[in-house]
Amino acid sequence: GDSVTQMEGPVTLSEEAFLTINCTYTATGYPSLFWYVQYPGEGLQLLLKATKADDKGSNKGFEATYRKETTSFHLEKGSVQVSDSAVYFCALTHTGNQFYFGTGTSLTVIP
Amino acid sequence: DSGVTQTPKHLITATGQRVTLRCSPRSGDLSVYWYQQSLDQGLQFLIQYYNGEERAKGNILERFSAQQFPDLHSELNLSSLELGDSALYFCASSVGSGSYIDEQFFGPGTRLTVL
Repeated sequence: GDSVTQMEGPVTLSEEAFLTINCTYTATGYPSLFWYVQYPGEGLQLLLKATKADDKGSNKGFEATYRKETTSFHLEKGSVQVSDSAVYFCALTHTGNQFYFGTGTSLTVIP
Repeated sequence: DSGVTQTPKHLITATGQRVTLRCSPRSGDLSVYWYQQSLDQGLQFLIQYYNGEERAKGNILERFSAQQFPDLHSELNLSSLELGDSALYFCASSVGSGSYIDEQFFGPGTRLTVL
């Protein structure tokens, strides 16, 4: 069945460091891929998405490229801020109804 | 604030009991989705309703049921509760019936603790 695997956390970075959170997926066909962010005490928020191979999603300085050949959708940001501290979830869906989420990666950015 | 409201915020109950979680979607959204977030299972999709009808089903136990009412609010009923049901339950809503372009907006969650 479909599944998403994220790198284990937690991740701790200094402010202005480069961020990569790895995400790989297993799925038939061509799912749509997403990154969601969950700030402390809040629900998930859509961060970015890509709906077909080689698409790049971007938002708030974060980017991820849909790589069909490596079944990956790694999240990157060039310079993280303290306000980026949150839990990040990679997810996929074929239909838009049923999402499969990774286990989440906790990021802490220290000043 | 996503516009999705969930009540209660916290719920503490005993094994064998039954509870009801409530969700009000964003104004104008017709779909409601329920998710369970637990430490060992991660975030799992339970069920979706669209305009009062069940639309998609995920890993929802038979002890759990949901419905969406004419005013579009939804309730998730959990019965014969077990310790393992302790989790954060999220509701999300979207405008349409569910597609990859149809963004889901999540509520703040209800934390259920079963003792």
